[in-house]
Amino acid sequence: SQQGEEDPQALSIQEGENATMNCSYKTSINNLQWYRQNSGRGLVHLILIRSNEREKHSGRLRVTLDTSKKSSSLLITASRAADTASYFCATDVGGSEKLVFGKGTKLTVNP
Amino acid sequence: EAGVTQFPSHSVIEKGQTVTLRCDPISGHDNLYWYRRVMGKEIKFLLHFVKESKQDESGMPNNRFLAERTGGTYSTLKVQPAELEDSGVYFCASSLQGARNGYTFGSGTRLTVV
Repeated sequence: SQQGEEDPQALSIQEGENATMNCSYKTSINNLQWYRQNSGRGLVHLILIRSNEREKHSGRLRVTLDTSKKSSSLLITASRAADTASYFCATDVGGSEKLVFGKGTKLTVNP
Repeated sequence: EAGVTQFPSHSVIEKGQTVTLRCDPISGHDNLYWYRRVMGKEIKFLLHFVKESKQDESGMPNNRFLAERTGGTYSTLKVQPAELEDSGVYFCASSLQGARNGYTFGSGTRLTVV
């Protein structure tokens, strides 16, 4: 599997529900980032969590990082239709400047 | 501040033609990156500039791709000649302090080679 692999690949929920997406990676990292891509648009940086952090919050977003399991999760609480997008995790590799992205989770929030 | 701007937003060209994509980073951002997403696959790193210098071009797929950043401001990515498998979305990003603080991405250029 690829570095920065998300699951599920697709998730469909009702407005108001919580959405949880997971990401696994293989190598050691300095940080892990989550991005969102709305259809036809660019990538928007959501949140960055460093390897020495376990949890981070930003508004309705909560990110956890478990370096022992090489995994991260993104929780979106009280989802809205506007949260419909693809979500990607990305990790730096060996301290280099390049980010390695997963294939993403396509989230659909139904009104 | 203005974000990262990419032009064009869409391009449809025939196989064998040349296409040049442009990226204007956020003013003052020395780091500029190109990524692309081929249909159904991961977003993949192409290369990284610091000012006008190529720091890492390990992701460039082959010599049909040429990236430049003359003067350390905007960057261009030329594909010559274009092949069908080059179709996808090309993203540009810039950052002030590098990957450790996250990037700002542009909206991407959707390239279709027919």
